[in-house]
Amino acid sequence: SAVISQKPSRDICQRGTSLTIQCQVDSQVTMMFWYRQQPGQSLTLIATANQGSEATYESGFVIDKFPISRPNLTFSTLTVSNMSPEDSSIYLCSVDPGDPNQETQYFGPGTRLLVL
Amino acid sequence: AQSVTQLDSQVPVFEEAPVELRCNYSSSVSVYLFWYVQYPNQGLQLLLKYLSGSTLVKGINGFEAEFNKSQTSFHLRKPSVHISDTAEYFCAVIFSGNTGKLIFGQGTTLQVKP
Repeated sequence: SAVISQKPSRDICQRGTSLTIQCQVDSQVTMMFWYRQQPGQSLTLIATANQGSEATYESGFVIDKFPISRPNLTFSTLTVSNMSPEDSSIYLCSVDPGDPNQETQYFGPGTRLLVL
Repeated sequence: AQSVTQLDSQVPVFEEAPVELRCNYSSSVSVYLFWYVQYPNQGLQLLLKYLSGSTLVKGINGFEAEFNKSQTSFHLRKPSVHISDTAEYFCAVIFSGNTGKLIFGQGTTLQVKP
């Protein structure tokens, strides 16, 4: 498994501003993922962030709105840009430690974002 | 389209009663199957997973799930629930060829009553 931390744990932001969320892992991992969980909803994958390559975005998500950095094997950031109230969600990062044939993701505690 | 369906949005049950949370997925291709639990104001915790082998898998906290390929289902069960099991439960699937792409069901709220 892996121990994952996220900062901030929660924030209240004004519309039009941007927030950068950090994800830190206690071990080196190749695959990191960012998810969004809208109020009362399930999780939706935003993008896959692998070190050494550009993030891969899912349908409905674009780099200009959700830029991602992956500078090394233990850290990633997700920025929510030009926020609107519709961006109010929980944002979670997850990692796949890469154990052969395990295909298992472990999740951070999430960042709870409220946009006013 | 590949999808995951949790048929029950809420499941109320009395303490010490058995419970089953249902999960079906759309495709007959090879899959990896997972159940996660989310306690209030917390992140997701892995309960159990099916990757291959025995179709009955056991997880943490007394939960188990059975993979049924013909019915494309992966229902979660517990023979006797506790108040502390009150949480949101998510079924998730990785479909063959989509490494790392977890597709989640809508979630089921398990409400355990005293």
